[in-house]
Amino acid sequence: GQNIDQPTEMTATEGAIVQINCTYQTSGFNGLFWYQQHAGEAPTFLSYNVLDGLEEKGRFSSFLSRSKGYSYLLLKELQMKDSASYLCAVSPYSGAGSYQLTFGKGTKLSVIP
Amino acid sequence: AAGVIQSPRHLIKEKRETATLKCYPIPRHDTVYWYQQGPGQDPQFLISFYEKMQSDKGSIPDRFSAQQFSDYHSELNMSSLELGDSALYFCASSLGQGPYTGELFFGEGSRLTVL
Repeated sequence: GQNIDQPTEMTATEGAIVQINCTYQTSGFNGLFWYQQHAGEAPTFLSYNVLDGLEEKGRFSSFLSRSKGYSYLLLKELQMKDSASYLCAVSPYSGAGSYQLTFGKGTKLSVIP
Repeated sequence: AAGVIQSPRHLIKEKRETATLKCYPIPRHDTVYWYQQGPGQDPQFLISFYEKMQSDKGSIPDRFSAQQFSDYHSELNMSSLELGDSALYFCASSLGQGPYTGELFFGEGSRLTVL
């Protein structure tokens, strides 16, 4: 089975940097994902890591250590619109045609002025 | 660009009634996933289909069934509805084969309220 842990809530100041951590235990692994979800809206894809290391995409970066079962999402130059839930998800890969994701409970980030 | 289309967006039903949710994936996407998200909860995987065949099964109740049709759209049928079925139901699609970017594309969800 899969077990994913991330903090429930975080607060950060506009313009600052925030790091959201995620630890996971999974029976199979085909990648770790970060999704952003505003309340009542669909999750939207932020990043995907399958190899160890840092992936950078604009203001967002994601890091993975497979040996430690650990990932983080780094958000720089925070903006008010970044207030949302950030979902860590693991793909256990069940075979051709199925890349279903198991989501963590999400970290609700509040950006304050 | 075309996105995942879900209908209806909102649905209100009574206990023990049935409901059907529809999902139209992004054109050329051959894999569809259904997720259920309760209030304040993370999305829970229900079931997925690849090329019209069930490819994976998660925490889908026996009262629920789903299928993917020849045009790749999918329907989630829910019977004997219970209060606890009230949730946001997301459909997502992806390309089952080919370069794997790891991205599922989510629809805007169907909000089911059971009274």
